[in-house]
Amino acid sequence: DAMVIQNPRYQVTQFGKPVTLSCSQTLNHNVMYWYQQKSSQAPKLLFHYYDKDFNNEADTPDNFQSRRPNTSFCFLDIRSPGLGDAAMYLCATSRDKGIDTFGSGTRLTVV
Amino acid sequence: QQQVKQSPQSLIVQKGGISIINCAYENTAFDYFPWYQQFPGKGPALLIAIRPDVSEKKEGRFTISFNKSAKQFSLHIMDSQPGDSATYFCAASIRVTGGGNKLTFGTGTQLKVEL
Repeated sequence: DAMVIQNPRYQVTQFGKPVTLSCSQTLNHNVMYWYQQKSSQAPKLLFHYYDKDFNNEADTPDNFQSRRPNTSFCFLDIRSPGLGDAAMYLCATSRDKGIDTFGSGTRLTVV
Repeated sequence: QQQVKQSPQSLIVQKGGISIINCAYENTAFDYFPWYQQFPGKGPALLIAIRPDVSEKKEGRFTISFNKSAKQFSLHIMDSQPGDSATYFCAASIRVTGGGNKLTFGTGTQLKVEL
């Protein structure tokens, strides 16, 4: 089935230790998004790629970076995770309007 | 201007009843209004969506009602079932410079359907 796959499902990292979350899609959608969702809150957009063009949200901290080496893969790098970065990180894709498909997310714990 | 207000925050409905969740927006540039269903530990799943030139869209037990002049839209879940218990987010989409769309989410409604 065509889908958005996020790995790992759960990630535990140490305070200040760089961590990378990955996302792959088989939908061939040209737009990929990264969202951060904290408990009982709505997802918050961090950035998105339109093809290879990177679009950062104005309030996304510099601590968060992203790479999209090809259409299928996208990575979220957190350079120095703090306790406040513990959250669910959601990858999503779209082809036209809105967002069609979210991944199941990676739950990040910072210890 | 970019906010989407959603109510109620939580909702308890009896099995077989109708669940109604309301959203309101300000920015008339929004051009697509999806609803997402999210179960604990899972990503949101697109449930149903509507464009602003349509006043109602129905898919199975789920209906979106859209009032463009009032800048309001709502989700109706008919014959609510315990399996519908989840968090529901309304959203509004707008094209952004550089391509793609930006979704502004409502704050979410926790729905519980009781037997």
